[in-house]
Order: sequence, then C-alpha cells, then structure tokens
Amino acid sequence: DQQVKQNSPSLSVQEGRISILNCDYTNSMFDYFLWYKKYPAEGPTFLISISSIKDKNEDGRFTVFLNKSAKHLSLHIVPSQPGDSAVYFCAARDKAAGNKLTFGGGTRVLVKP
Amino acid sequence: KAGVTQTPRYLIKTRGQQVTLSCSPISGHRSVSWYQQTPGQGLQFLFEYFSETQRNKGNFPGRFSGRQFSNSRSEMNVSTLELGDSALYLCASSFNEAGANTGELFFGEGSRLTVL
Repeated sequence: DQQVKQNSPSLSVQEGRISILNCDYTNSMFDYFLWYKKYPAEGPTFLISISSIKDKNEDGRFTVFLNKSAKHLSLHIVPSQPGDSAVYFCAARDKAAGNKLTFGGGTRVLVKP
Repeated sequence: KAGVTQTPRYLIKTRGQQVTLSCSPISGHRSVSWYQQTPGQGLQFLFEYFSETQRNKGNFPGRFSGRQFSNSRSEMNVSTLELGDSALYLCASSFNEAGANTGELFFGEGSRLTVL
C-alpha cells in the first residue's frame, strides 16, 4: 500500500519554463512533507519542506504547495534550469509512527536547454 | 565536515550469499536510517537506529538486519540473497531521531548491490 505516490515518473520541460511536480498521499497523520533531489551516483539531498499547518513555502526558485483537503502537494520550480535535471522524491513524516519518513517513487525531471 | 560515507560503493554477489554494508554518519549524528531504492519503487524504508537501538523498522523480511555501534557507525546485513535484492542501498543520518524537528536527513551516495 503506497501511502505516498508520485504518479508522473518523468517530466520534460524547456529551460526557463515552470516545472510542476505532484505528490499525493493517503495518510492523514502525515504532519510534515519534504522534497529531495537526487543526481545519478549521488545520494538524495534535501530541497524544501512544508509543515501541515501551512499551505505554501517558498525558497528561491522552489515553492511547495500543500492542499490538505485533497491530500496533495506540489513542487514548483521557476524558472527551470538544466542543472535541475534530476530525480525528485517527495516524502511525508508520520508523527504517529515515530516520525517515520515515507517516500514516493520519484519523478525524473529533464530540463532541455 | 565529512558527509555520510557508505562502503562498499559497488558489489556483486550471487543468490544465497550474504552481504554486509557499512555506513559512517556525519560526525555527531546519532541516527542512521537505511533505505532500499529500486527503479519505480522510490526509497523503501528498512530500519532506523538511534543510540545503538533499533527505533523503527520497515516491512522487509527478517533476512534484512542491521546494527549500530557506539560510535554511531551502522551496518546492515542481508542473508540468503535473492535476485530481487539487487538495488541501491542508501544510508541517511541525522543528529536527532530521524524525522525529528524538520525531518531532514543527510544521505550517503549508496551501495549498489547486484545479485546474480
């Protein structure tokens, strides 16, 4: 049972345009959400996070939106740059399960110059 | 400050063998979590150790085990290897228990295991 789903395995976008990555979850006990970015042959690195009490968090070109009623979050990258080409994972924290992090399957983003 | 170090980076085993992977967390970090990454499955949580105690466990069979030493270094072991165990095994560390505060984890580059 996948509690965190990233339904788009891949995304291709032109440099300078917006990249929108989506993530859906089922567990209403998730209280914190994170996005990680992973380049080939490297470990994932933390990108941005959002608490369940907020609906938006912004950090430079990256903005995460949370819609609790729809159990949906999205990551917007504006403008997209070739260096953003990577796999992006969303993760959710379950406070009721010892703060266990559950990750989605990842979305591979390709930013074309 | 040195990052999370995993060894070996690559290894090939055959079915039925066992393997031990090692993880050295960032200095001062007390929590080590292990994840399995396979194509399309994302990062599947294996277990977390904090101060030498297993704090949390994922839904993996008993063939997967781990431990943490007093210096916070951790090892995971997979016995009786199966073809489906071929994956990238990632270790992540954090100062507090995994998921505490902002939940940020610091990952190593992973150990890629191929089972033939």
